[in-house]
Amino acid sequence: GNSVTQMEGPVTLSEEAFLTINCTYTATGYPSLFWYVQYPGEGLQLLLKATKADDKGSNKGFEATYRKETTSFHLEKGSVQVSDSAVYFCALSDRTGGFKTIFGAGTRLFVKA
Amino acid sequence: KAGVTQTPRYLIKTRGQQVTLSCSPISGHRSVSWYQQTPGQGLQFLFEYFSETQRNKGNFPGRFSGRQFSNSRSEMNVSTLELGDSALYLCASSSPTSGNLLGVEQFFGPGTRLTVL
Repeated sequence: GNSVTQMEGPVTLSEEAFLTINCTYTATGYPSLFWYVQYPGEGLQLLLKATKADDKGSNKGFEATYRKETTSFHLEKGSVQVSDSAVYFCALSDRTGGFKTIFGAGTRLFVKA
Repeated sequence: KAGVTQTPRYLIKTRGQQVTLSCSPISGHRSVSWYQQTPGQGLQFLFEYFSETQRNKGNFPGRFSGRQFSNSRSEMNVSTLELGDSALYLCASSSPTSGNLLGVEQFFGPGTRLTVL
C-alpha cells in the first residue's frame, strides 16, 4: 500500500540556518504530494503541494520538488526563523489509495534565536 | 469564511464509556475526513465522508464509527472506550471537484483532545 517516510526529529537549528526535511514515498499510482505544518495547539494547515512530477511547490520561503525518479519530496528553506518552529508532515493522496491522504510521522522543528 | 470547528475541544472519559465528537466543515465543503493523532502512531486515517456517504475507511476496529448529515456536518462515535483511544482527533474538510480528492487541499480543525482514564 501507499506510505510516506519522513526523517525523524526533532531537528534543532539556529535562526537563519538552512533547513532540509527529507520525505520519500511509496505509491502504486501517480500521487499528489503535500507538506502540512502544525503549530502548537493548532490543527494542520497546508504549506505547499505538487500534483505531478517535476512540479515545485512553494510558500512562505519553503520549497519542495516532486521527484518521481527518486520518489521524494524534500522540504527546504534557505533561512529559518523562530516562528517556523512547528511539526511538519509530508503526505500523499492518489486514486489507487481511494484518494485517502496518507501522512508521514511528522518532523518536529525547533529554531533557536 | 469560518474555518473547520470541532466540539468539544477537550474530553475526559473512563474505560467502557462511549463518546461522540462533532465536526462542522467550512461552508460549501462536502468532504469530511477524520484522523487520529497520537505521539507514537502519528496521523492515522479513520474515515472519509462525501455527501453523507462513507467512501473510505481506515484500519480501525468497528468501535469507531461516523456519519455525515445533509448539511455536511459530521460526527464520529467511539464505543467501549479503551485507554489506547486517548488521542487528538482531527477533522478535515475539503471541496473536491466532482468528488475527486486528488491534489485537493484539506482544511483541518483544531481537534478534540480525548483522554480515557
